[in-house]
Amino acid sequence: EDKVVQSPLSLVVHEGDTVTLNCSYEVTNFRSLLWYKQEKKAPTFLFMLTSSGIEKKSGRLSSILDKKELFSILNITATQTGDSAIYLCAVEWGNKLVFGAGTILRVKS
Amino acid sequence: NAGVTQTPKFQVLKTGQSMTLQCAQDMNHEYMSWYRQDPGMGLRLIHYSVGAGITDQGEVPNGYNVSRSTTEDFPLRLLSAAPSQTSVYFCASMRLLNTGELFFGEGSRLTVL
Repeated sequence: EDKVVQSPLSLVVHEGDTVTLNCSYEVTNFRSLLWYKQEKKAPTFLFMLTSSGIEKKSGRLSSILDKKELFSILNITATQTGDSAIYLCAVEWGNKLVFGAGTILRVKS
Repeated sequence: NAGVTQTPKFQVLKTGQSMTLQCAQDMNHEYMSWYRQDPGMGLRLIHYSVGAGITDQGEVPNGYNVSRSTTEDFPLRLLSAAPSQTSVYFCASMRLLNTGELFFGEGSRLTVL
């Protein structure tokens, strides 16, 4: 009964590639969908999405939410080795943040 | 600017022992939570609290207790440790009104033999 499902589970790309990470969820009455990046230690916040169709951007990273189809994507363009990390998607509902299993991204030089 | 502080960072226990993971935040956040992270399973919510005196169960609460007597502190107790509780534990907090941006502690690696 996973509520948040991420794909792919892992991904290896070369520097300069563009990647798209997927997050689908089964929670209907949610308040927000969030993306986090986890390198060696604790996750750090990337984006919070609450409205469908509105892209959030930060440098080479961008994300968008589709509330009708219940999914979100995280795009990373011109990847660098420093983008290697676990990317976590979470959904906030009922005062809880529930995470997916994460996508392990490795960027090779 | 301490943020979220967890102690201890590492702990080895024998099966059946009890222990408490401490978590403190100095940002006056209403919401605090505990997660465990195991390979391939992301972060799974153990317990959470929306304010002093209020706690609730997350996805994997069995074997763990929490209390929230103050806004700042949210300890996690393992009553009788089992090898299945070997994991990395993260405490996190956030403002309820600015939902979504969790601030995490550095994690506590627990091994149960």
